[in-house]
Amino acid sequence: EADIYQTPRYLVIGTGKKITLECSQTMGHDKMYWYQQDPGMELHLIHYSYGVNSTEKGDLSSESTVSRIRTEHFPLTLESARPSHTSQYLCASSEGGRRPYNEQFFGPGTRLTVL
Amino acid sequence: SQKIEQNSEALNIQEGKTATLTCNYTNYSPAYLQWYRQDPGRGPVFLLLIRENEKEKRKERLKVTFDTTLKQSLFHITASQPADSATYLCALLVSGTYKYIFGTGTRLKVLA
Repeated sequence: EADIYQTPRYLVIGTGKKITLECSQTMGHDKMYWYQQDPGMELHLIHYSYGVNSTEKGDLSSESTVSRIRTEHFPLTLESARPSHTSQYLCASSEGGRRPYNEQFFGPGTRLTVL
Repeated sequence: SQKIEQNSEALNIQEGKTATLTCNYTNYSPAYLQWYRQDPGRGPVFLLLIRENEKEKRKERLKVTFDTTLKQSLFHITASQPADSATYLCALLVSGTYKYIFGTGTRLKVLA
């Protein structure tokens, strides 16, 4: 069982609201990731981090921002939610070190609906 | 651009048979390939990793092959069970990074 947690699991919110999706892991992993996944579609990387104070944008353009102040915590923030942000958001982590192929441990996801 | 293709249609097989799922990629030369299982409403779970210099990898009833000439990986589940029903994703490591590109996944249904 992976020790990676996401809250909330489900969120329905109105347009224009600011939201933060929480992600925490207790495995001490250096690398953390945020993916966006629509039903039946592939995971798209939107943000990743190699360690504290390190964040990078992924391949999918996103209006969200992330921070990595602590190793275990990697929150994602949307300053002004829009209906186009409706999706499943998955957080993942993997070990640090020089091995690039470490498996990723995924959280249960946050299902976001913006009305 | 880099592209990964997995069977978009669902695969239905009878319990006890071997399921074979395909992952094809183009414009890409990955050094590592991973397979994940994803159940509805949940995050993916890692199953197997295979390196470009490995032709085959096994774990219990699972087998993965990696053909860099054909740019293809095959994922086999032998003696399939209804509990194996899920979506299976392949993921390729982007060279020189720690990022993976995921395929859309193939939905497998094992019929009792």
